[in-house]
Amino acid sequence: GQSLEQPSEVTAVEGAIVQINCTYQTSGFYGLSWYQQHDGGAPTFLSYNALDGLEETGRFSSFLSRSDSYGYLLLQELQMKDSASYFCAVKDGNNRKLIWGLGTSLAVNP
Amino acid sequence: GAVVSQHPSWVICKSGTSVKIECRSLDFQATTMFWYRQFPKQSLMLMATSNEGSKATYEQGVEKDKFLINHASLTLSTLTVTSAHPEDSSFYICSARQGGGQETQYFGPGTRLLVL
Repeated sequence: GQSLEQPSEVTAVEGAIVQINCTYQTSGFYGLSWYQQHDGGAPTFLSYNALDGLEETGRFSSFLSRSDSYGYLLLQELQMKDSASYFCAVKDGNNRKLIWGLGTSLAVNP
Repeated sequence: GAVVSQHPSWVICKSGTSVKIECRSLDFQATTMFWYRQFPKQSLMLMATSNEGSKATYEQGVEKDKFLINHASLTLSTLTVTSAHPEDSSFYICSARQGGGQETQYFGPGTRLLVL
């Protein structure tokens, strides 16, 4: 079957660094995406990794290791507004639709 | 960045009525649009993939006669929930992909449907 695993909840304090891991098992692989979703809102795109390595965008970075079927989202200098759910999603190589993880709820405390 | 709009943002309707939700890509042409449903505290569930000018591809377990999808142009897709029932109450979200090698999906703001 196809599945993505990520932790269900993470708690951290303002200014800290948090890493949210994602392991995947899919029939095809086109790339790993990360999305942020605040309560009541729709997902917003954060990053996309098609090749191995680290992609950095401001305070957020995303990493991919295709040989390990593993990636992570790194959030630095956490702010209260970063409290949200974070989803990893794999683009299925066969039909290019997104297969979603169950999401990680991040709570940033003062 | 690419902008996707959805209308309406909120719908409250009586059981048995039909509800149409529009999804528009405002500043790009979307060769593919996706319709998702999300229940509280859960992940997104893909309902169907729609390509402009062709029939939508529905995911297993999604009734195509109940959830009618039309992708009439490169900037507009509609989802009609026919004969809605309380169990259809959910958050419906569309996303659009530009095509031509662009893989990122851009999401609309979502539509909350409450069926009484």
